[in-house]
Amino acid sequence: AQSVTQLGSHVSVSEGALVLLRCNYSSSVPPYLFWYVQYPNQGLQLLLKYTTGATLVKGINGFEAEFKKSETSFHLTKPSAHMSDAAEYFCAVSDRSGSQGNLIFGKGTKLSVKP
Amino acid sequence: DGGITQSPKYLFRKEGQNVTLSCEQNLNHDAMYWYRQDPGQGLRLIYYSQIVNDFQKGDIAEGYSVSREKKESFPLTVTSAQKNPTAFYLCASRSYGNTIYFGEGSWLTVV
Repeated sequence: AQSVTQLGSHVSVSEGALVLLRCNYSSSVPPYLFWYVQYPNQGLQLLLKYTTGATLVKGINGFEAEFKKSETSFHLTKPSAHMSDAAEYFCAVSDRSGSQGNLIFGKGTKLSVKP
Repeated sequence: DGGITQSPKYLFRKEGQNVTLSCEQNLNHDAMYWYRQDPGQGLRLIYYSQIVNDFQKGDIAEGYSVSREKKESFPLTVTSAQKNPTAFYLCASRSYGNTIYFGEGSWLTVV
């Protein structure tokens, strides 16, 4: 069975500092991996996804993530935090077979950005 | 604009009532999903549908029902059997590239 673990339910950084949100997954087959962002009272917006090919994936708003198979990780980073990055972030994994395509989500990490 | 529209944004349910949340998409996606979100618990899958006139239970289907009579529409009914329905509900659909896109969500509160 697939699962996702996000380390840290809350992360706080200063504006301009590095953002690092951690995600580890468990999957018996090579997975598809996703990061979503959620602003208060809104739906989830896709930040980036890894399906195949290059393991360093660039997304919107300056975020990127690296798929490390040996570590079963897909950590999200941004070199310099902005106040507008304050939101909740969800890592998700999907069965690569695509027969269902359902996403298994982590419990989320709430990012706070201090001025 | 293409997208997923959920309505209403806020809904209140009295004890013993059934309520229905609407979800419409104009993305021409075959697969659609309903998730429930509770604080600190991430998203949990209620029901999903891969194609019209077919749907399957997710992880927490008890107390919920769905229908899929049209490709564009996937309404969710929260029945009186759902004992703790207060939550944020998210509808989603899946593209042919296996990416899931979400609507803006609906808040359901029991009064």
